[in-house]
Amino acid sequence: SQTIHQWPATLVQPVGSPLSLECTVEGTSNPNLYWYRQAAGRGLQLLFYSIGIDQISSEVPQNLSASRPQDRQFILSSKKLLLSDSGFYLCAWSMPDRRNTEAFFGQGTRLTVV
Amino acid sequence: LAKTTQPISMDSYEGQEVNITCSHNNIATNDYITWYQQFPSQGPRFIIQGYKTKVTNEVASLFIPADRKSSTLSLPRVSLSDTAVYYCLVGDMVTGGGNKLTFGTGTQLKVEL
Repeated sequence: SQTIHQWPATLVQPVGSPLSLECTVEGTSNPNLYWYRQAAGRGLQLLFYSIGIDQISSEVPQNLSASRPQDRQFILSSKKLLLSDSGFYLCAWSMPDRRNTEAFFGQGTRLTVV
Repeated sequence: LAKTTQPISMDSYEGQEVNITCSHNNIATNDYITWYQQFPSQGPRFIIQGYKTKVTNEVASLFIPADRKSSTLSLPRVSLSDTAVYYCLVGDMVTGGGNKLTFGTGTQLKVEL
């Protein structure tokens, strides 16, 4: 069966510090991968999605970046965090099928920038 | 990009049937319609997906009219544990495979005794 791992669960970082959130998927090949952010009481904002290694699309211009060094690994990074980067970050994967809109989410990372 | 519109919030009582309608006027011919449920501090969970007419599973039913410009998620006999945010998504296909999976603002369903 397929599983998705996302860590850490919680993170408190000072403004201006770097960020690295990691997400890995097991039990499937060539998944579509996603990073979302959710501010308190708000909907999910799609940050990045990837349909393959070195195929990453950014949805929102900001100080975040994403990389996919391996087929089932997706990393969200920042060189310098802003207060506005606080939020709940979610990684997700789906099958590489255009008709498939079923995604599976990780447990999320609660990021607080102080 | 097929956008969706759904009510911001709905209230219900235990044991009632709840119907949440989503509008997607610009849905493309090949797009599927999907609904997710999200509890606080958790990732969304897939509920149901459909293309046309009616789809039913052990959790919910999805009604899609012939023009496919809207869809209705039906939750039979809700309980307190169904209090959550419900999202309607319409497939936004990506060149090369897959969908972008863009979530809207969702509908906050509150179930009371």
